[in-house]
Amino acid sequence: QVQLQESGPGLVKSSETLSLTCTISGASINGYYWTWIRQPPGKGLEWIGYFYYAGTTNYNPSLKGRLAISADTSKNQFSLILTSVTPADTAVYYCARGRYFEWFQSDYWGQGMLVTVSS
Amino acid sequence: SSELTQDPAVSVALGQTVRITCQGDSLRSNYASWFQQKTGQAPVLVIYGKDKRPSGIPDRFSGSSSGNTASLTITGAQAEDEADYYCNSRDSSGNHFVFGTGTQVTVL
Repeated sequence: QVQLQESGPGLVKSSETLSLTCTISGASINGYYWTWIRQPPGKGLEWIGYFYYAGTTNYNPSLKGRLAISADTSKNQFSLILTSVTPADTAVYYCARGRYFEWFQSDYWGQGMLVTVSS
Repeated sequence: SSELTQDPAVSVALGQTVRITCQGDSLRSNYASWFQQKTGQAPVLVIYGKDKRPSGIPDRFSGSSSGNTASLTITGAQAEDEADYYCNSRDSSGNHFVFGTGTQVTVL
């Protein structure tokens, strides 16, 4: 059974760097796109970006310049790094496994992790 | 702001049919996927592509597309269908992806 679990600090100070890890169990990184999505409290979903197992990435243009997504195949994990955070980056962060066509298609998600950016 | 626009909220009587729409220029050349999100839970994929359902999704969920609009239809809505629904597709550049603004569905 495939399971994804987000981990990292739940509280980050403004201007600092947010680092999250998604640990994958029951599946290999190979063959899929590993995606981060976030949801500010009481608001809608925002696509952050993905790391493809072959090494390519694709980021939300609104976050480009602050964002990096990478993977560690030896640990079966992928990570998100977001620099220079502000309170607007406060959200539940989800990791997900999926594929991309004209749409994003996922089959497994993590439970989500709330990250609060304090001012 | 999202490039895919949805009505904020719709309601449907138990057992009746509801259509949720998603509008955006990118939908003229791209299909969408649809996610259901219940309170406090991670989203679940319910429809993708032209009109395909993942395993385990009831056949009362269906998808369609016309012009700049993608639609999700629930035929014979059940109490457990009460949730937020989000569409997803490529953005206007075609290089990235975006979620719709979301629709809250209430089953009366």
